[in-house]
Amino acid sequence: GIQVEQSPPDLILQEGANSTLRCNFSDSVNNLQWFHQNPWGQLINLFYIPSGTKQNGRLSATTVATERYSLLYISSSQTTDSGVYFCAPCISNFGNEKLTFGTGTRLTIIP
Amino acid sequence: NAGVTQTPKFQVLKTGQSMTLQCAQDMNHEYMSWYRQDPGMGLRLIHYSVGAGITDQGEVPNGYNVSRSTTEDFPLRLLSAAPSQTSVYFCASSYFLAGDTQYFGPGTRLTVL
Repeated sequence: GIQVEQSPPDLILQEGANSTLRCNFSDSVNNLQWFHQNPWGQLINLFYIPSGTKQNGRLSATTVATERYSLLYISSSQTTDSGVYFCAPCISNFGNEKLTFGTGTRLTIIP
Repeated sequence: NAGVTQTPKFQVLKTGQSMTLQCAQDMNHEYMSWYRQDPGMGLRLIHYSVGAGITDQGEVPNGYNVSRSTTEDFPLRLLSAAPSQTSVYFCASSYFLAGDTQYFGPGTRLTVL
């Protein structure tokens, strides 16, 4: 099956810093989603981004499907950005679509 | 809208006991799925459903059963709990397909002794 690698596995930053999280995947994908899991465990969808770039406030994401990677940018970090960020590419196999999650990047923002 | 709800939030079982994790959504989504999350392993798909009456296996289906009698509900049954099933379980839903924007429930933390 598809392999999904996220880097870095852990990231500790001061409040106000910028960061880039990377997601590499081994096969062609239909689309890709980014999620944030907050410290209480809730998973929130951040982006649905099959290709190109999208922005939502201080967050933006870019997927280059032909080169099999996606990037999540966080600018001017806040303590509420802490948590684990997952990417989940979606592949289609004989009409069945499935998401495969990476192991995540744990982000800690220090005040 | 309540979104995706899961009950219970926490559960402790003894080895060999059975139980059902409940999941419901009020967004009229056709696609529903169950994942388990273990430390350092991300989320792994257990079972999924593309509509009422239709279910299929995911990556780690052994030891679990599902059914989908209504659009709203997608319960997950543990037939005979084992310590290896200690995990956090998440239910998710989307409009039609896995590739549509996924909405997750708050999770159920299960411990099997």
